[in-house]
Amino acid sequence: DAGITQSPRHKVTETGTPVTLRCHQTENHRYMYWYRQDPGHGLRLIHYSYGVKDTDKGEVSDGYSVSRSKTEDFLLTLESATSSQTSVYFCAISEGTGGSGNTIYFGEGSWLTVV
Amino acid sequence: DAKTTQPPSMDCAEGRAANLPCNHSTISGNEYVYWYRQIHSQGPQYIIHGLKNNETNEMASLIITEDRKSSTLILPHATLRDTAVYYCIVNRAGTSGTYKYIFGTGTRLKVLA
Repeated sequence: DAGITQSPRHKVTETGTPVTLRCHQTENHRYMYWYRQDPGHGLRLIHYSYGVKDTDKGEVSDGYSVSRSKTEDFLLTLESATSSQTSVYFCAISEGTGGSGNTIYFGEGSWLTVV
Repeated sequence: DAKTTQPPSMDCAEGRAANLPCNHSTISGNEYVYWYRQIHSQGPQYIIHGLKNNETNEMASLIITEDRKSSTLILPHATLRDTAVYYCIVNRAGTSGTYKYIFGTGTRLKVLA
């Protein structure tokens, strides 16, 4: 299994509060990704990072921000959580860009409930 | 941007080959096709990927049509443990030469005893 640790694994929070999810990797991979998964929508890309301090938006980035101050950590922040952000969040990593046929590896997910 | 289309669900008898189709008619020349699967609510698991040629590994085979507009994932001898949601994805160009892995809704494969 790829060395990916997500924290927290489960969290319940109230609407309007800030929430930060952490993804930590031990593989020294350059690329890191945050996805959310909801019934009927499959996995949707929120943000991704292609290096320290280098990030780009995915399909559903509104309401989310990310930061990557060091190679091993990629943080996803919900500035003011809403009920629509109740979801399962997956972190993923890859060694290189997909243009070279690199594969991505996923963490075990973080279950977030916003009440 | 390349998108993928998969049937929402399929059944397969245990021990038989499972053939999962995927349409990616807008794929570009440098975009790879990847297959992942997800069992219950676990993180998606990599299966196989390819660009132009057919590929085989210990888990599955990937058949890509010559025009690259569609592909088929083959599980040669499906077992009950292969019951999962299977995703066909095509990576798409992002910023600064990077690529984004965009998932669809996948095919829910049920292997029947």
